[in-house]
Amino acid sequence: QVTLKESGPALVKPTQTLTLTCTLSGLSVTTTGTRVSWIRQPPGKGLEWLARIDWGDEKFYSTSLRTRLTISKDTSRNQVVLTLTNMDPMDTATYYCARMNPLPARQFDLDIWGQGTMVSVSS
Amino acid sequence: YELTQPLSVSVALGQTATITCGGNSIGNKAVHWYQQKPGQAPVAVIYRDSNRPSGIPERISASNSGNTATLTINRVQAGDESDYYCQVWDKNTAQVVFGGGTKLTVL
Repeated sequence: QVTLKESGPALVKPTQTLTLTCTLSGLSVTTTGTRVSWIRQPPGKGLEWLARIDWGDEKFYSTSLRTRLTISKDTSRNQVVLTLTNMDPMDTATYYCARMNPLPARQFDLDIWGQGTMVSVSS
Repeated sequence: YELTQPLSVSVALGQTATITCGGNSIGNKAVHWYQQKPGQAPVAVIYRDSNRPSGIPERISASNSGNTATLTINRVQAGDESDYYCQVWDKNTAQVVFGGGTKLTVL
């Protein structure tokens, strides 16, 4: 059974850098076909995709946040790490990591999601 | 690339709900749909235009053609009351794109 779990600080101050981790269970971040995305959702608002990293270390970023985002893998811990610099109150959101189904027939749907972690930005 | 969804849809219990997702030539893309209940992570209910993951009831169906993808929920139940999001992978920009979401209210 594949599960994902997000972890990170619940509160950060403006201008700080946020670091979130997504720990995979039942699946290795280096297994061919593994693609993990980060998505966030401000309170009461919709879903916003942030970034994706593939098993071969190919990376993709949201155009609007590209300059502030870094996604990476920690293979020793089987984790996907997301950093977001220069945090602002507008970045307050629940942050999710999710797996893209590896089957070509599924065409990149996000079939397994973590429970999400709420991050507030306030001084 | 942008996906446009109605903010809200209301439907009477037992009737049929239709939620649209508009995008330029969206019929040429694979569209996925997610259901999200309050306080929970989204769950995929449709992948690649019209396919249901295991465990999703046959009452939920979808189609995609031209500039509009459509999610249909037949015999709507109180438990279907949720937010629904459409999503595509835009190859041109190499990004995941979500629609703004539709709140389904069951009357």
